[in-house]
Amino acid sequence: AQKITQTQPGMFVQEKEAVTLDCTYDTSDPSYGLFWYKQPSSGEMIFLIYQGSYDQQNATEGRYSLNFQKARKSANLVISASQLGDSAMYFCAMRRYGNQFYFGTGTSLTVIP
Amino acid sequence: DGGITQSPKYLFRKEGQNVTLSCEQNLNHDAMYWYRQDPGQGLRLIYYSQIVNDFQKGDIAEGYSVSREKKESFPLTVTSAQKNPTAFYLCATADRGTGYEQYFGPGTRLTVT
Repeated sequence: AQKITQTQPGMFVQEKEAVTLDCTYDTSDPSYGLFWYKQPSSGEMIFLIYQGSYDQQNATEGRYSLNFQKARKSANLVISASQLGDSAMYFCAMRRYGNQFYFGTGTSLTVIP
Repeated sequence: DGGITQSPKYLFRKEGQNVTLSCEQNLNHDAMYWYRQDPGQGLRLIYYSQIVNDFQKGDIAEGYSVSREKKESFPLTVTSAQKNPTAFYLCATADRGTGYEQYFGPGTRLTVT
């Protein structure tokens, strides 16, 4: 069963605008972690942001913020003030008890000058 | 420097040959993972190991084998039984606890002709 769903295969955003990348997840575990990674064309996976299931506040890291809606099981990534260097694949992931990670299929983001 | 080393970056093999991809880490992480990524696709888990001398199959283990004789090393062998071995292979590690992200190596691009 698909545990992480990213429904946007590709997204476009104007430079300096904000963009939201969607992610929904499925688990019945009380404790889990949610992550976003960026993968540029070079192939490296870059960790962006983390949200714990018990965290009351949405996580933020610089221009990245995670819009965590626990009841809806969603963990959307918001990138503010997009830059050309933000063009990449973005993956949502969940870590469950037992050290297993589950990844979504990714969203390709293109920033337009 | 702490990190994950994957070698080589590019690997070419003839069909019917087994090939071993190297993954070494000095982060002292217990858990190690192998993922396969096809062009434009997400990550699919091949094998993972949570402790030395123990490993579990992921979603696409057929045609692959691993060993975990040392904490630092988790080599992946792509056997001739793997029908479509050409792909990008990523090794990752993680510390204990759901709050910790995976750290990724730079990846190995395997081409089999």
